[in-house]
Amino acid sequence: GQQVMQIPQYQHVQEGEDFTTYCNSSTTLSNIQWYKQRPGGHPVFLIQLVKSGEVKKQKRLTFQFGEAKKNSSLHITATQTTDVGTYFCAGKQGGSEKLVFGKGTKLTVNP
Amino acid sequence: SAVISQKPSRDICQRGTSLTIQCQVDSQVTMMFWYRQQPGQSLTLIATANQGSEATYESGFVIDKFPISRPNLTFSTLTVSNMSPEDSSIYLCSVETPLEQYFGPGTRLTVT
Repeated sequence: GQQVMQIPQYQHVQEGEDFTTYCNSSTTLSNIQWYKQRPGGHPVFLIQLVKSGEVKKQKRLTFQFGEAKKNSSLHITATQTTDVGTYFCAGKQGGSEKLVFGKGTKLTVNP
Repeated sequence: SAVISQKPSRDICQRGTSLTIQCQVDSQVTMMFWYRQQPGQSLTLIATANQGSEATYESGFVIDKFPISRPNLTFSTLTVSNMSPEDSSIYLCSVETPLEQYFGPGTRLTVT
């Protein structure tokens, strides 16, 4: 079936350290979306990448979409305790309108 | 943007009963989506609901178990029928705009 693999599953960092989560699809994605879910909350949209090789930045967050449109990454520079949560990638594979979610990376930040 | 509300926010139900979850959006949208998120897990799409047509269900989900209504462009319901403990989960509705996808706050269901 359609799958989007995401690693790592968990990441513990000290405040100030950087953090990266990676997503990989076996098939080409028409787009990739990133979401953040705080503990007890619902997923909140962060960004959508559409173009091959696209890089977008939101303050300390950098999002990349691979040249082959099969992989993506989210990098957080100098993590803060407010970054705690689970980060999900989600992509649309082929011509499907169905959004397939990765399993998420749970980030904890030690102050 | 879109603001989504869901009712109830949580419920504890006995096995064998049914629960209907309501989803209200503050703007008209063509497609509404229903997801399930089991504790500590990712999101799984249950079905896509278009106004005026039958919902489209994903593999592993059937209409008899999860009937969906979509009476207008701002509202949808998902019923979890004949519940078992395995149905304990968070159920989220979602809508898609050209720029982004929005999720409701979710309904936390516990089946005992």
